[in-house]
Amino acid sequence: DAKTTQPTSMDCAEGRAANLPCNHSTISGNEYVYWYRQIHSQGPQYIIHGLKNNETNEMASLIITEDRKSSTLILPHATLRDTAVYYCIVRVANAGGTSYGKLTFGQGTILTVHP
Amino acid sequence: DAGVTQSPTHLIKTRGQQVTLRCSPISGHKSVSWYQQVLGQGPQFIFQYYEKEERGRGNFPDRFSARQFPNYSSELNVNALLLGDSALYLCASSLYISYNSPLHFGNGTRLTVT
Repeated sequence: DAKTTQPTSMDCAEGRAANLPCNHSTISGNEYVYWYRQIHSQGPQYIIHGLKNNETNEMASLIITEDRKSSTLILPHATLRDTAVYYCIVRVANAGGTSYGKLTFGQGTILTVHP
Repeated sequence: DAGVTQSPTHLIKTRGQQVTLRCSPISGHKSVSWYQQVLGQGPQFIFQYYEKEERGRGNFPDRFSARQFPNYSSELNVNALLLGDSALYLCASSLYISYNSPLHFGNGTRLTVT
């Protein structure tokens, strides 16, 4: 499985941009990068995903390097409600097609947004 | 639109008992996946079902089983409960069976085995 490396924790001031890095140096050409976050006692929340190009939605932007070995999730204006564990996941494809439902969660980055 | 709904939200069982957890996917979603999240760890994949058929299975013992109904809702069954089965059980649904189709999670069922 393509593995990801994320910092254990990060801090961000409210109203500032939060930039969360992720390394995935063993990613294969057809594997997507997904970002989820989990607030205590809730299920993981889908944020954004991408393959090669940068992506943006109402929640965040995803910047993927040209060699696809790393990516950055950007929350443009962090609020206190963005405090959560952020997971960067490479969605691994297998030949048998039996991994469509499988996301391999690592330890994630604990993002703390402070006033 | 309603998201993924799971029931019950909390459950307490005794060792050796059996438990059934329920999941309703987002309307229009045909795929359901189940995950177990032990305290302090990330979720771990248990099963995926699509069109009522099992499409993927994680590294869990045969005590864990699931099924999907014609309306795409799903049940997860765990037999002969162990203390180590205490966890948050998460259900996720997706629109397509594709790596480009995000999984959307419910808020889970918190199972405590005593």
